[in-house]
Amino acid sequence: EVQLVQSGAEVRKPGESLTISCKGSGYSFTRYWIGWVRQMPGRGLEWMGIIDPDDSETRKSPSFPGHVIMSVDKTISTAYLQWSSLKASDTAMYYCARVPYDLLTGFDYWGQGTLVTVSS
Amino acid sequence: QTVVTQEPSFSVSPGGTVTLTCGLSSGSVSTSYYPSWYQQTPGQAPRTLIYSTNIRSSGVPDRFSGSILGNKAALTITGAQADDDSDYYCVLYMGRGISVFGGGTKVTVL
Repeated sequence: EVQLVQSGAEVRKPGESLTISCKGSGYSFTRYWIGWVRQMPGRGLEWMGIIDPDDSETRKSPSFPGHVIMSVDKTISTAYLQWSSLKASDTAMYYCARVPYDLLTGFDYWGQGTLVTVSS
Repeated sequence: QTVVTQEPSFSVSPGGTVTLTCGLSSGSVSTSYYPSWYQQTPGQAPRTLIYSTNIRSSGVPDRFSGSILGNKAALTITGAQADDDSDYYCVLYMGRGISVFGGGTKVTVL
């Protein structure tokens, strides 16, 4: 069974750093790109970017925040989203999702989401 | 910047049929945009319904179907049920590995 399991909810202050994770199982992790989707409170879904777990190549939305980094550790089948200096506007639910094989778009399986709250 | 457009809301009667569309602020949608569709209920993670225009995701009932209608991608729900009451989002591929979500359509079954 394909599963993407994300790390738990986080509360941080502005300026702090943060890393959230997404662990894949039940499939060959390096054969499928992983994407990240943001959903700010009361708003729609936003496509942030995707990363190839095999070689860490990324494709990012033009509006992808410059202080956010996608990364992956293929040895433990885990993708990460990292902030160097959080802002209040980073408050959102973040989902990871798997891109269907041989495509660069769309998602077929989703993580349960990680809620990030940034508040002083 | 090209915007992906969806109807803000739709109502459908139980057992009825509704077609949601996904367009572009400039230009026409074709299969080259690999449209995909997602269902989200409040407080839940999205669920994939359709990807690459008309490929139904695992476990999705065949009353959900995807197509290209005119110059837009379309999601048709046939025989609407109460638990179809959700938000529906489309994604279009813009090239070079970049995709964009539409603003979403709120479907009410009543």
